[in-house]
Amino acid sequence: TQLLEQSPQFLSIQEGENLTVYCNSSSVFSSLQWYRQEPGEGPVLLVTVVTGGEVKKLKRLTFQFGDARKDSSLHITAAQPGDTGLYLCAGAPGNQFYFGTGTSLTVIP
Amino acid sequence: DAGITQSPRHKVTETGTPVTLRCHQTENHRYMYWYRQDPGHGLRLIHYSYGVKDTDKGEVSDGYSVSRSKTEDFLLTLESATSSQTSVYFCAISVRDRGSNYGYTFGSGTRLTVV
Repeated sequence: TQLLEQSPQFLSIQEGENLTVYCNSSSVFSSLQWYRQEPGEGPVLLVTVVTGGEVKKLKRLTFQFGDARKDSSLHITAAQPGDTGLYLCAGAPGNQFYFGTGTSLTVIP
Repeated sequence: DAGITQSPRHKVTETGTPVTLRCHQTENHRYMYWYRQDPGHGLRLIHYSYGVKDTDKGEVSDGYSVSRSKTEDFLLTLESATSSQTSVYFCAISVRDRGSNYGYTFGSGTRLTVV
C-alpha cells in the first residue's frame, strides 16, 4: 500500500491547456515536496510546502498544500512541451520522505 | 549544481554475483541516500547515511548493504544479485534550499539488470 497516492497516473494534453495533478494520503505530513523527472535522469526538486493551506507559485506552476497537511495539488497553466515528465510528490510524516508513484505528463505540441 | 555522480550508469550482471554501485559527491554533504525506482512502486529508500561509518536501513533494505568510509563516497552492494533487484538505482544527497527546507538532489541513476 502506497503512503502517497497520485492521480492521474498518466495525462496527455495539448500545448496551451491547463491541468491539475493530485497527491493524497491519509497521513499528516510535516512537509511535502514536488519533483519532476525526465527520462534517464534523476528527479529534480521543484518546491517544498510546509504550512497547511500554503500556496507557492513557480512561473506557470502553482502548488497547494491542503489545510490538514494530508494532500497537495500541482496546477500547470498553459502547458508547454517542456513540461513533459514524471511528476512525483514526496511527504515526510516523520524524518523520512516517502514518494508517490508519480503522474506521467505528456504535452503534445 | 551539487556535484553528485553515480557509476556505472548501466550494468548487466548474472544472478548470484556481487555488485557494487558507487555514489560520489563533491560538496561535503552529511546525508546520503540510496533509492530504487520501479514501475508501480515509485522511489523506495534502501539505506541512508548520516556520516562516515554511520548508516541505517530504509524501507527495502533486505539483500543490500552499504558502506561510507569517506564523506564523499557512498557504496551500495548487492551481496548476491537476484532478478527482483533489477531496477534503476538513485543516489541522493540532502541539501537545504533558500527557505531552509531540506530537499533531495539526485544523481542520474544506475540501470541494473540481473539476468
